[in-house]
Amino acid sequence: EVRLLESGGGLLQPGGSLRLSCAASGFTFSTYAMSWVRQAPGKGMEWVSAISGSGGNTYYADSVKGRFTISRDNSKNTLYLQMNSLRDEDTAVYYCAKEREPPVFDYWGQGTLVSVSS
Amino acid sequence: DIVMTQSPDSLAVSLGERATINCKSSQSVFSSFSNKNFLAWYQHKPGQPPKLLINWASTREPGVPDRFSGSGSGTDFTLTISSLQAEDVALYYCHQYFGTHTFGQGTKLEIK
Repeated sequence: EVRLLESGGGLLQPGGSLRLSCAASGFTFSTYAMSWVRQAPGKGMEWVSAISGSGGNTYYADSVKGRFTISRDNSKNTLYLQMNSLRDEDTAVYYCAKEREPPVFDYWGQGTLVSVSS
Repeated sequence: DIVMTQSPDSLAVSLGERATINCKSSQSVFSSFSNKNFLAWYQHKPGQPPKLLINWASTREPGVPDRFSGSGSGTDFTLTISSLQAEDVALYYCHQYFGTHTFGQGTKLEIK
């Protein structure tokens, strides 16, 4: 059974930093690209970032480029999102999601809440 | 980025009746190279992770009940639940993967 478990969310002030983690199990982690998708309160889903299975290729939404860094440790079956220079508008539930070609998101975690407020 | 607009924002349907959710993209998500529409639908219930229902606009995922169907091409798509069941109450999102991933704003489906 595929399981994705996010952790690391919290409440912090603008300009702060946070690292999210996503522990994966139930599939060969290194074989699949992974993404972070967020949902701000009362808003729709927004794709944030993706990383290839090997970790060699990374992709970012313009809204987070230069502030967020996605990475993965395939030996630990864990995905990360380092979030720096956080802004109020980064407040959201952050989901990690497993990608499958075409690419779609075939499995999602429960999400972790990040609240940025002064 | 391709903007996805769903309608309606919320929908109340009686049990056993048909529910129809629409999704419109700001540009075509059809690839003439692959002859496919790069469009997926997800179901999101409170307290649960989102669930992939349909990809390629009309291909149901394994295990998804056949009362769920997807249709459309180009810029206009529809998710239809042919006979609403109580367990279908959820938020539904469309998602295009033709360009940078974008999602519709969601449609809240309730029982009338």
